[in-house]
Amino acid sequence: GAVVSQHPSWVICKSGTSVKIECRSLDFQATTMFWYRQFPKQSLMLMATSNEGSKATYEQGVEKDKFLINHASLTLSTLTVTSAHPEDSSFYICSARDPPGGGYGYTFGSGTRLTVV
Amino acid sequence: RKEVEQDPGPFNVPEGATVAFNCTYSNSASQSFFWYRQDCRKEPKLLMSVYSSGNEDGRFTAQLNRASQYISLLIRDSKLSDSATYLCVVNKRGKAAGNKLTFGGGTRVLVKP
Repeated sequence: GAVVSQHPSWVICKSGTSVKIECRSLDFQATTMFWYRQFPKQSLMLMATSNEGSKATYEQGVEKDKFLINHASLTLSTLTVTSAHPEDSSFYICSARDPPGGGYGYTFGSGTRLTVV
Repeated sequence: RKEVEQDPGPFNVPEGATVAFNCTYSNSASQSFFWYRQDCRKEPKLLMSVYSSGNEDGRFTAQLNRASQYISLLIRDSKLSDSATYLCVVNKRGKAAGNKLTFGGGTRVLVKP
């Protein structure tokens, strides 16, 4: 089946620094990818929709200048958390829609656990 | 009101027993429905899509009731490995909706020996 590779799986960074998270679709092209955030014991909340070759669409309440999304190719989307603060510590997950013939589901990356200290 | 609501549980289930739980959605424009399974500190994984006529996959049965706007998941002959959080996911398909998924808060299931 479709595979979405996400890297890194975990990262610890100092407050004020930036962290980049990569999400790659393997063996298929993903013109659209989705970025989610999940706090402990809560469900996934969509942050933004990443569109290849154009600007990302952010959900209400998500700061676009803080969470920079770049989708420069059909297989790679990146999320950069700029000037990270402890409250940004969370589980970040990307997903892409399964390619044609792969059903109507969505495949998720393995997630990135970000801890800001 | 949340767009997709689930009983958070936990549902404590004896091994071998049957457990069932529901999820309600508020947007009647919702078109696609899924159950995902999420293990602790892991990404969600698709368990099954939910079709209008109801569908079964091994020990798992999903039902959709559009009139009452809920979907259900039933797990028969529960295994210890079924312990997880089950996420109800709804999609409003189409370009206008952006093909975005909306997740419920999850129902935690704990299967005990």
